[in-house]
Amino acid sequence: EVQLVESGGGLIQPGGSLRLSCAASGFTVSSNYMSWVRQAPGKGLEWVSVIYSGGSTYYADSVKGRFTISRDNSKNTLYLQMNSLRAEDTAVYYCARDSGSYWGSVFYYYGMDVWGQGTTVTVSS
Amino acid sequence: EIVLTQSPGTLSLSPGERATLSCRASQSVSSSYLAWYQQKPGQAPRLLIYGASSRATGIPDRFSGSGSGTDFTLTISRLEPEDFAVYYCQHYGSSFTFGQGTRLEIK
Repeated sequence: EVQLVESGGGLIQPGGSLRLSCAASGFTVSSNYMSWVRQAPGKGLEWVSVIYSGGSTYYADSVKGRFTISRDNSKNTLYLQMNSLRAEDTAVYYCARDSGSYWGSVFYYYGMDVWGQGTTVTVSS
Repeated sequence: EIVLTQSPGTLSLSPGERATLSCRASQSVSSSYLAWYQQKPGQAPRLLIYGASSRATGIPDRFSGSGSGTDFTLTISRLEPEDFAVYYCQHYGSSFTFGQGTRLEIK
């Protein structure tokens, strides 16, 4: 079964650090684009970061320089290292698989087709 | 950076009615990179449509997507009780922008 399971959320003080994990089963993380998406309480979805199958990483401006996305191929797990946390980082964090494929040099995007259940991060003193 | 604006913010309809949700991009985008998601309270989002008009696996055919350039539409032909949720459009590009969402509520 294709599945993503996040962990690592919790209550953290402003300025602190936290590492989220996203364990995948049924597919290989390193062969896919993988994203983190967050949702603040009562708000909409906000894309946070992506790691491409080739290893390139990209970030939303709101987290650039503070968050780092990575993966451990041996564990088939995606990570999000969050430093210098702020109150506005409080949210449910989801990991998701960005489905797609290359036809020649053109990338066809098929959407975020697998999502984890989310892990809650609360930044508060 | 591309901004996606969804309208209306809230749509109140009855089961059996037709729902039309709009997503407008701040500049022209490739329809290949436009997706729609459904989210119910307490749940993760679910992929409905990719490539502006292709249904994801297992999505009923009452859901359809259309559009090109800057204007995209998600249509639900006959609303079922389980369709009342929040819907988001999303663009894949230099960033993976989401619209702010449309809440579809029971009238």
